[in-house]
Amino acid sequence: DAGVTQSPTHLIKTRGQQVTLRCSPKSGHDTVSWYQQALGQGPQFIFQYYEEEERQRGNFPDRFSGHQFPNYSSELNVNALLLGDSALYLCASSLVQGSSTGELFFGEGSRLTVL
Amino acid sequence: DQQVKQNSPSLSVQEGRISILNCDYTNSMFDYFLWYKKYPAEGPTFLISISSIKDKNEDGRFTVFLNKSAKHLSLHIVPSQPGDSAVYFCAASLSGNTPLVFGKGTRLSVIA
Repeated sequence: DAGVTQSPTHLIKTRGQQVTLRCSPKSGHDTVSWYQQALGQGPQFIFQYYEEEERQRGNFPDRFSGHQFPNYSSELNVNALLLGDSALYLCASSLVQGSSTGELFFGEGSRLTVL
Repeated sequence: DQQVKQNSPSLSVQEGRISILNCDYTNSMFDYFLWYKKYPAEGPTFLISISSIKDKNEDGRFTVFLNKSAKHLSLHIVPSQPGDSAVYFCAASLSGNTPLVFGKGTRLSVIA
C-alpha cells in the first residue's frame, strides 16, 4: 500500500521563478493538504483540496496556487519566488469523511531552496 | 500569534527513563490534539491523539495527557528508547477535518 509520494525531493530555484511540486495521496484517500515548514518552525497550512476544488486556505498569498486531479493527485504552484519561500513543502492526505481525529498522512516533502 | 506553543526546543533523556514533552495552546475551541514524530528526511508520522472530552489516552509506551483548564497537554514516553530520538510536533484542530495547527516542535534525544 503506497503512502504519500512527493516529487521532486529537492530543487533549487532563483528569485522570480516559478515552481510546481507534485503529490500522490495515500491509496484510498481523497483529500490533499499542503503545508510549508520553514527552518526551525512547525508545518503551516497552505490549502486543502477535495473534489478538485480548494476547500480551505491558510494565510498565504495568491502566489501560492494548487490543483487536484481526478485521480486525487495534486500540484502546488508558487509564482514569483521569494527568498522566504525556501522551505520544506509537505503534502498530506486524508479522507474527508475519515478519521475523526483529523489524522493526516504526510509525504517526505519537497525541499525548495530559492537563491 | 502562535496558537500552539512548544516552549522547549530540545530535550535530552537517558535510555529507559521517562521523556515528557509539553505543549500549550491558546485557542479554547480546539477539540482534537495530536502528536507527530519526524525523523530527518522523512515526513511527520502520526503518533497519538486525544479528544477534548478526555484527559488521558494511552498507546503502549506513549501517553498523552490533556489539561483543558490550563490549555496544556503533554506526551509521556516510558521507557524512552534511542529510536525515539526525533522531532516531536504537537498539533491541534477545531474538528476532524479542519487544518492542523502545529507547534514548532521539540527535538528529543535519547542517550544510550
